[in-house]
Amino acid sequence: ETGVTQTPRHLVMGMTNKKSLKCEQHLGHNAMYWYKQSAKKPLELMFVYSLEERVENNSVPSRFSPECPNSSHLFLHLHTLQPEDSALYLCASSQGPGGANEKLFFGSGTQLSVL
Amino acid sequence: SQQGEEDPQALSIQEGENATMNCSYKTSINNLQWYRQNSGRGLVHLILIRSNEREKHSGRLRVTLDTSKKSSSLLITASRAADTASYFCATVYNTDKLIFGTGTRLQVFP
Repeated sequence: ETGVTQTPRHLVMGMTNKKSLKCEQHLGHNAMYWYKQSAKKPLELMFVYSLEERVENNSVPSRFSPECPNSSHLFLHLHTLQPEDSALYLCASSQGPGGANEKLFFGSGTQLSVL
Repeated sequence: SQQGEEDPQALSIQEGENATMNCSYKTSINNLQWYRQNSGRGLVHLILIRSNEREKHSGRLRVTLDTSKKSSSLLITASRAADTASYFCATVYNTDKLIFGTGTRLQVFP
């Protein structure tokens, strides 16, 4: 276990549904991240939160809405998704405030299928 | 794109053999990291090598960095079936965030 827990592990949703992905880290880290991993593509950085403030939004469509209520929890709210949004969504955390000298600790991911 | 690019895309070897994966990148870096990902799971950090380091070891893993060629290699010695996974290098992007390549899929046959 990496200390980063993601739920659910699998999610199937229709394009009109609203769902949320949850991430919790038990490491006392200050930065949390959402990445998207699609088949045969590099991991795409979506959002970065440092000390509960969003510091990075990589041109992600508004149908993805992140929320970081405290330094241990991160959510990704989903609504009116498209089939091309089907992917593995990975949460990660790091000790420092998102600096590149930090190593990332990843959760096991949520495998999302949009029908 | 400033991402790292791994080579080869896929590698199949027998247990006991060594596996070498390469990563090339495009801009100057502060550090380069290697991660492993088992199928359908999250990534696990393996090694971080700083730009002023040339080689680093961790158990059966050896990472080299050549900043003049903008390349790094990951060597796994005496591979095991449990080493079967995808391996990614990650380099710094201009906002100090890690950017990952597409990975090398390693298959180790018993």
